[in-house]
Amino acid sequence: EADIYQTPRYLVIGTGKKITLECSQTMGHDKMYWYQQDPGMELHLIHYSYGVNSTEKGDLSSESTVSRIRTEHFPLTLESARPSHTSQYLCASSGRDGGTPTNEKLFFGSGTQLSVL
Amino acid sequence: KNQVEQSPQSLIILEGKNCTLQCNYTVSPFSNLRWYKQDTGRGPVSLTIMTFSENTKSNGRYTATLDADTKQSSLHITASQLSDSASYICVVSDRGSTLGRLYFGRGTQLTVWP
Repeated sequence: EADIYQTPRYLVIGTGKKITLECSQTMGHDKMYWYQQDPGMELHLIHYSYGVNSTEKGDLSSESTVSRIRTEHFPLTLESARPSHTSQYLCASSGRDGGTPTNEKLFFGSGTQLSVL
Repeated sequence: KNQVEQSPQSLIILEGKNCTLQCNYTVSPFSNLRWYKQDTGRGPVSLTIMTFSENTKSNGRYTATLDADTKQSSLHITASQLSDSASYICVVSDRGSTLGRLYFGRGTQLTVWP
């Protein structure tokens, strides 16, 4: 069972609102990630962090921002939500957990389904 | 271009039957291949991880195979159960150290009917 938590599970908001999606893990993992997933489509990496005060943009351009002030916490913020931001957002973390560097395990949260009206 | 292609896109089988899902990739250099199960509205959960030297790996009723020469993998599900209904995602990593760059397939949507 993965110890990575996302809140809220579902969020419906109006255009122009500022939102923050929360993600926390209790596994002590240095690496954390945010993915975006639309129905029937592959996951796209939008942000990642390899440790505290380290954040990078992923492959998919996103208007969201992230912060990593504490190891266990990796929130994602949208300053002004738009209908095009409607999607599922998945947070993940990775660590050795007894494996090798090659087989580093990736654990996902349950996701936040965001709907912007 | 590095890609991961999965087939079929969707599959319906009866409870108790076996099925095989396919994954073809062009990712290079290859590091490892992972299969994930994703229930509707949930995050993916890891089933297997295979490196270049591994041809097969099992996790209960799930058995994954890898042919690194032909760049193909399959996930075989034995004696399917209703709870196997989910999307099965193939993910390929291109680097030998840590997690590397991950390439995700679009998944095969499996439905198991009673």
